[in-house]
Amino acid sequence: GAVVSQHPSWVICKSGTSVKIECRSLDFQATTMFWYRQFPKQSLMLMATSNEGSKATYEQGVEKDKFLINHASLTLSTLTVTSAHPEDSSFYICSALRAGTSTDTQYFGPGTRLTVL
Amino acid sequence: SQKIEQNSEALNIQEGKTATLTCNYTNYSPAYLQWYRQDPGRGPVFLLLIRENEKEKRKERLKVTFDTTLKQSLFHITASQPADSATYLCALGGMDSSYKLIFGSGTRLLVRP
Repeated sequence: GAVVSQHPSWVICKSGTSVKIECRSLDFQATTMFWYRQFPKQSLMLMATSNEGSKATYEQGVEKDKFLINHASLTLSTLTVTSAHPEDSSFYICSALRAGTSTDTQYFGPGTRLTVL
Repeated sequence: SQKIEQNSEALNIQEGKTATLTCNYTNYSPAYLQWYRQDPGRGPVFLLLIRENEKEKRKERLKVTFDTTLKQSLFHITASQPADSATYLCALGGMDSSYKLIFGSGTRLLVRP
């Protein structure tokens, strides 16, 4: 159990376009999901915390108008990179907290590789 | 400043030996610490969680220690296998009321057959 999927697994887009990435918890409900970004050979950097039914909380330095997050249901959160530019090229990873348990474990998706040309 | 440090150099060991990875942190007070495995191009996979009031945790060939005085965690893989080759990340959590994790940059482990 505790499977998290992401779609797409990779995407290539032109500069200036918007890209939507989906994060789904397949076999559990998640009231909280997180979005991370990882550059090559670097650590995962938390971008924002996504809470079902409320606005996302963004980390310092992350532009909320550029990285739109929608947590529409207990199993789905989406990240939209608006007006993407080459510097937004990165590996985007989501994670989910299983609702209704006392565990602090985050379950991670497989990641989405974004390349902006 | 706040830092989480893991050896940036790869750890290269012979199959069957014990691998020991280190995670040091400064200016954080985590309630718990987690270790994850990450393979290239994949998301992290949870391995173990250890809380601040626990000294040691084991799971099969894995062992984690947590010393809040030294601000250090050690991660051991006994009887290592080539399949254990991956990057191992430590992450600090429970520093506020959220479930946010702060990750180290990871240590790459290579197990030679």
